[in-house]
Formats: sequence, C-alpha cells, structure tokens
Amino acid sequence: DIQMTQSPASLSASLEEIVTITCQASQNIGNWLAWYQQKPGKSPQLLIYGTTSLADGVPSRFSGSRSGTQYSLKISRLQVEDIGIYYCQQASSTPYTFGAGTKLELK
Amino acid sequence: EVQLKESGPGLVQPSQTLSLTCTVSGFSLTDYSVHWVRQPPGKGLEWMGVMWSGGSTAYNSALKSRLSISRDTSKSQVFLKMNSLQTEDTAIYYCTRGYYGYTYWFAYWGQGTLVTVSS
Repeated sequence: DIQMTQSPASLSASLEEIVTITCQASQNIGNWLAWYQQKPGKSPQLLIYGTTSLADGVPSRFSGSRSGTQYSLKISRLQVEDIGIYYCQQASSTPYTFGAGTKLELK
Repeated sequence: EVQLKESGPGLVQPSQTLSLTCTVSGFSLTDYSVHWVRQPPGKGLEWMGVMWSGGSTAYNSALKSRLSISRDTSKSQVFLKMNSLQTEDTAIYYCTRGYYGYTYWFAYWGQGTLVTVSS
C-alpha cells in the first residue's frame, strides 16, 4: 500500500497568514493526489484534485503543488472559515490512502 | 441534486456483522461508482472499498476477508456488510461519490453514520 506522510500534525496560524501543509508519498503517484478539508462534525470536503485543480466553489486562496513525491497545499491568506483538519489522499492505486491529517487552528 | 445517505444500526455487538445501506439520489449507480470510507472517532480516514459503476467491486486488502459491498440499482442503494466486528471497527462510516467523471476524487459525501461496537 502507498503510505502518505502528512506534516505538520497540527498548525497554529494567524489570520491573513500563509499556511502550507505537505504530504510525502512513499512512491511515485504522479498527479494522483487530492486535498480535503473537514470541519468538526462534518463530512470531508474536496478542495483540490489532480494535485493542482480546484474543486467547484473552492476559494482561489487555496492552491496545490508538487515536487517529486512531495505535495503541498497552500492557503495564501488564512481566513476564519479555513479552520479545520486537512487530509491528503492518493488515488494512484487501490487501496486509496489518506494522510493522517493536519489540524489547523487560529493563533 | 446529488445526495447520499447512510443508514444502519448505531450499535453492534463484538463478533457480529455490520450491515449498512447507502441510499443515493440525483444520479444513477450505473453511471457513478460509490465508495465506503470510515473514520474512527478523533482519527483519520480509511478507504474501505468501492462498488464500481459497472458492478464490480474492490476492497481494501486490510478488510477484504471481512467486507462485502453490493448494490440494488433499482432502489439506488449500495450495501456494506462487514463481519467479525471488533471494538476497533467503531467509526463513522461514510459513503461517497466521485467528482464528475473522476471516480476517485470524493466530492460528494453522505452525512456519515456512527457505528459503535460494544457489548
């Protein structure tokens, strides 16, 4: 199975700050990576798919990138509504696997 | 509007079998695949398996021996059955659908159903 190592596990940031979350894949997954946001008591929401494509309705302050087998989610200007837990997911091969999550809090 | 809704027992005894139903609307099961994902309380997400639109299935190897996914297209329902439940199977169980033609990006989720394994 492909392992997705996500970091940091938690992150405290101020409003308007730039936030970056990373995921390291255990092998080459190409651009088969997505990012999700989950708020307390809610189902996950798809933010980015195919490494860099924004899902419908997702604000443009979210962006994704890749360097080799390392993937990054960037929030350009943190807003209150961005608080939650973020997960990466690989879809290169089954079983599809998720990172352990990054809990994003306001400083 | 695309909707998915999970239903099933909230409490299952250890060693028993879990049966869940995902009822969908707004799309056809013959056009879109439906996946099952679970999340233990306070923990991360685990992909369990999928009912592909063509009717075949794929399972997480970690669960394969205990898991079965089936469907009734006439009722727009996908079923999950998992046997030999243990306390570590306590989780919120979600059914989810892909994003447009991308079956593997989970854009539509049910609200989830909490299953507690306890005697």
